[in-house]
Formats: sequence, C-alpha cells, structure tokens
Amino acid sequence: EVGLLESGGGLVQPGGSLRLSCAASGFSFSTYAMGWVRQAPGKGLEWVSVISGSGGNSYYADSVKGRFTISRDNSKNMLYLQMNSLRAEDTALYYCAKREATAGVVDYWGLGTLVTVSS
Amino acid sequence: EIVMTQSPATLSVSPGERATLSCRASQTVSSNLAWYQQKPGQAPRLLIYDASTRATGVPARFIGSGSGTEFSLTISSLQSEDFAVYYCQQHNNWPWTFGQGTKVEIK
Repeated sequence: EVGLLESGGGLVQPGGSLRLSCAASGFSFSTYAMGWVRQAPGKGLEWVSVISGSGGNSYYADSVKGRFTISRDNSKNMLYLQMNSLRAEDTALYYCAKREATAGVVDYWGLGTLVTVSS
Repeated sequence: EIVMTQSPATLSVSPGERATLSCRASQTVSSNLAWYQQKPGQAPRLLIYDASTRATGVPARFIGSGSGTEFSLTISSLQSEDFAVYYCQQHNNWPWTFGQGTKVEIK
C-alpha cells in the first residue's frame, strides 16, 4: 500500500525558511516523479513543484521560482521542499504528491503539512 | 499559464439524480484533463485523467468527457458519499493548473 507522510510544517515569520520532508513507502520510489501541491485555507489547489524520478529534472510554479527548491533522496525514499524567503501568501497545507506513471496527475496524496507564514 | 474555469461554483442535487460539472481551458489541453474529488478535511482523490480514464477503484457512475477546451464530469446517479468539491486540472502544459472547484451539495 502506498504511503506518503509529510513533516516539517509550522509557523514561520515572513522572510524565514522551512524544509518540508515526505517519507514514501509501498512503491518503487525512484521510478516515479514526485511533487508538492498546496492549498491555502479555504481555497483551491496549486501545483508548486515536481521532480523527475531520477531527480535530474524539476519544475516550479512561477509563484515560488527562485525561492523554493525541490529535491529527493532515492536511497532513503524521501522527498524534500526547501522553502526560503517565505511570504504570507505561501501559507497553505502542503501535500506530498506521487505523480501517476504517464500523466501529470496525482494518483496518491499525503495528508499534508501546514505552513503558516505570519509575524 | 493555462487558466481553468469551472462552472457552476455550486451545484445542488438530490440523491439519485444526475450531476454534470463543466470545466473550460483558456487554450487547448488536448485530452490532458483530470478530475479530483475532495471531501472536508481530506486530501483530494483522483477520479479521472486523460479526460475519460477512470482511476483505479473509481465507480463507473463517474464519467469524464471532452477534449480541446471543453470538458465535463457526469455523475450518473448521486450517492451520499459523492457530495464534495470537484476540481479539474490540466496536465498538458507546465504549470499544471487547477480550476477553482465546483461544490456538489445536497438539495
């Protein structure tokens, strides 16, 4: 059974940094692209970033480009999101997402970790 | 960036009735369109991708159709567990983008 467990969220001041982690289990981690999708409180969904199975290719939403960095450690089945220069508008529930094999959609989601950016 | 627009914002339907949700893309996304269901306090669940392919375990009452810029999700006979928010998402061009959601509520 596929499992995705996020950690690392919390309260941070504007301009601060956080590192989110996602522990994956139940599938061949290095075979699949992974990503982060966020949802601001009471709002819709936004793809933040995606990384290929090998880690060689990554993509970012314009809203986070230059501030966030996605990475993965296939030896540990871990996905990461380093978030710098955080803004109030980054406040959201951040979901770890497994990309479906062939389509740019999420077939498995974690429960999410809440990031709150506030002074 | 491709903008996805869903209608209506809220759909009031009685159990057992048919519901049809619409999604429009600001430019063609071919058949690269997905639908998700989200219930309060839960992560979204993939229902449909490639416009009409049901994800594993999704009941046959969920039917996706469309191509290009116009898409729809039909729930043929609403069950109590189907009342939720539904999002469309294009997976043709990065950034993959979601619609703002349609809430299906009990009439």
